[in-house]
Amino acid sequence: EAGVVQSPRYKIIEKKQPVAFWCNPISGHNTLYWYLQNLGQGPELLIRYENEEAVDDSQLPKDRFSAERLKGVDSTLKIQPAELGDSAVYLCASSAGAFSANVLTFGAGSRLTVL
Amino acid sequence: TQLLKQSPQFLSIQEGENLTVYCNSSSVFSSLQWYRQEPGEGPVLLVTVVTGGEVKKLKRLTFQFGDARKDSSLHITAAQPGDTGLYLCAGAGAGSYQLTFGKGTKLSVIP
Repeated sequence: EAGVVQSPRYKIIEKKQPVAFWCNPISGHNTLYWYLQNLGQGPELLIRYENEEAVDDSQLPKDRFSAERLKGVDSTLKIQPAELGDSAVYLCASSAGAFSANVLTFGAGSRLTVL
Repeated sequence: TQLLKQSPQFLSIQEGENLTVYCNSSSVFSSLQWYRQEPGEGPVLLVTVVTGGEVKKLKRLTFQFGDARKDSSLHITAAQPGDTGLYLCAGAGAGSYQLTFGKGTKLSVIP
């Protein structure tokens, strides 16, 4: 069974340009997460979906970040316009439920470099 | 916000040595997870602990959850180069779904 698939793996853009990341979770996993991981830091939650509903987006900078999960499966995270400080790894994860002890399966991440 | 402090931040040891890394907080967690992350990959779950005082073993790795459920430790016996990676702890508060991650301990095991 394929794990969580993310693309692109790497993206280099100039500041003020838009960028989008795509995530395909594990089949049957209703809960999907987007995390931000800066160099040398642990992941920080950006948004959590239960099926197609964003149930926690309190940490998502809504002035430039947006996300969607149409049909409750794949998800896209967009940044427009990108800033230098957005350079980081964007991790997608999924789980079978939102219970705190649920296993999160992470994708390999999308590494963004903003020049 | 529940903060998780991990120590040491960096650890470099020789193959065959033992080591312990720590995860501490002033908050109580209903559950705590340990992940290992290799360069260019996402974190991979190693273990989940939910009961105060719980000890779990995974081959050469021993995980302990503190009695008060505020701290945890990971002990590796006879470290091998394949243990190299970033070890992250993540905790969830009572009644919360949200995991808070520590900054991690970066372990290098030198052959």
